[in-house]
Amino acid sequence: GEEVAQTPKHLVRGEGQKAKLYCAPIKGHSYVFWYQQVLKNEFKFLISFQNENVFDETGMPKERFSAKCLPNSPCSLEIQATKLEDSAVYFCASKVVRDLNSPLHFGNGTRLTVT
Amino acid sequence: KNEVEQSPQNLTAQEGEFITINCSYSVGISALHWLQQHPGGGIVSLFMLSSGKKKHGRLIATINIQEKHSSLHITASHPRDSAVYICAVSTYGGATNKLIFGTGTLLAVQP
Repeated sequence: GEEVAQTPKHLVRGEGQKAKLYCAPIKGHSYVFWYQQVLKNEFKFLISFQNENVFDETGMPKERFSAKCLPNSPCSLEIQATKLEDSAVYFCASKVVRDLNSPLHFGNGTRLTVT
Repeated sequence: KNEVEQSPQNLTAQEGEFITINCSYSVGISALHWLQQHPGGGIVSLFMLSSGKKKHGRLIATINIQEKHSSLHITASHPRDSAVYICAVSTYGGATNKLIFGTGTLLAVQP
């Protein structure tokens, strides 16, 4: 598709439950990024992929967060045993190539509320 | 201190006014992005620039690499321009391409 598609738009989970978010990057885009937006405009980088390979996972809370980008499937971000502090909007973005100056395209985000 | 600082944090303008939002950064960058986030939450990339000036419709973005400063200008502002404007940078040496975000400027344009 011509836009980054994120599903679901909203997700509500009780503390301790699992949450799984999906992102379909623009067709032909090799790089996928996940960002977490909490409290107004605080964005935190989580992880990036080059095709199905993890490129940079320095932002991932590894104990409970995992992510995949498998061929012919949407990318996914999974949170095991959610905590209240995981409540945030999770944005996926994609770009064509690694070139630092190629445009980044964002999805509309998934709002996760942990109660 | 944040690596990317924006000012002002909040801005209210009357329709038709010329608007300037500023961004300063303290790291070496390869590119600077201006993003727009509407109340619905979606993020739109407005500009990506590494030098000089870019213009798109009523929007103009400039960057001064030596001074580590960028500005976003909106001419003849309109209520539909009301949104959060976010400056973000791609850093040097970062093979990862990850962005460092400013804290945003909330713009409200009143009719």
